Amino acid sequence: AQKITQTQPGMFVQEKEAVTLDCTYDTSDPSYGLFWYKQPSSGEMIFLIYQGSYDQQNATEGRYSLNFQKARKSANLVISASQLGDSAMYFCAMREPSSDDMRFGAGTRLTVKP
Amino acid sequence: NAGVTQTPKFRVLKTGQSMTLLCAQDMNHEYMYWYRQDPGMGLRLIHYSVGEGTTAKGEVPDGYNVSRLKKQNFLLGLESAAPSQTSVYFCASKGAGHYNEQFFGPGTRLTVL
Repeated sequence: AQKITQTQPGMFVQEKEAVTLDCTYDTSDPSYGLFWYKQPSSGEMIFLIYQGSYDQQNATEGRYSLNFQKARKSANLVISASQLGDSAMYFCAMREPSSDDMRFGAGTRLTVKP
Repeated sequence: NAGVTQTPKFRVLKTGQSMTLLCAQDMNHEYMYWYRQDPGMGLRLIHYSVGEGTTAKGEVPDGYNVSRLKKQNFLLGLESAAPSQTSVYFCASKGAGHYNEQFFGPGTRLTVL
């Protein structure tokens, strides 16, 4: 069964606007961690933001924030004030306490238009 | 502080040839991972290690072997390469905290003809 689902293969956003990238997950563990990574065209994987399942507040890191809805099992990434350099693949991932593994979604390709 | 490095960056093999990919990290991390990335499939775990001298299978281990003789190095071997192993390979490492983020290497693009 798919653990992490990213339903948007591609997204477009106008420069300076906000964009939401969707991520839903599947777990029966009450404790888990959710991660977002950015992969620009150069290929490296860049860690963006982390949300723990017991965290009371949604995580924020600069222009990145995580819209965490635990009951719906969704952890959407919100990028505010998009920049051309935000154009990249974005991956959602989850780690469960019972596993040493981190499962990744298929990714969303974001294109920022000038 | 180089972080996670991978050698080589690119490689072309013929079917049946063997090769070893080297991953090195200088962050004293306990955990190390090898992933492959294929179009439309995200990253899939091949093998991982929770410490020096230990290895474990991930989601797609067939056709690969690994070794972790030193804490800072994690080697991925292909004994008899197949075209299905054409992919981009990423190494990652992580500190001891279960929910620490993983740090990734730059990737190795492997083509098997």
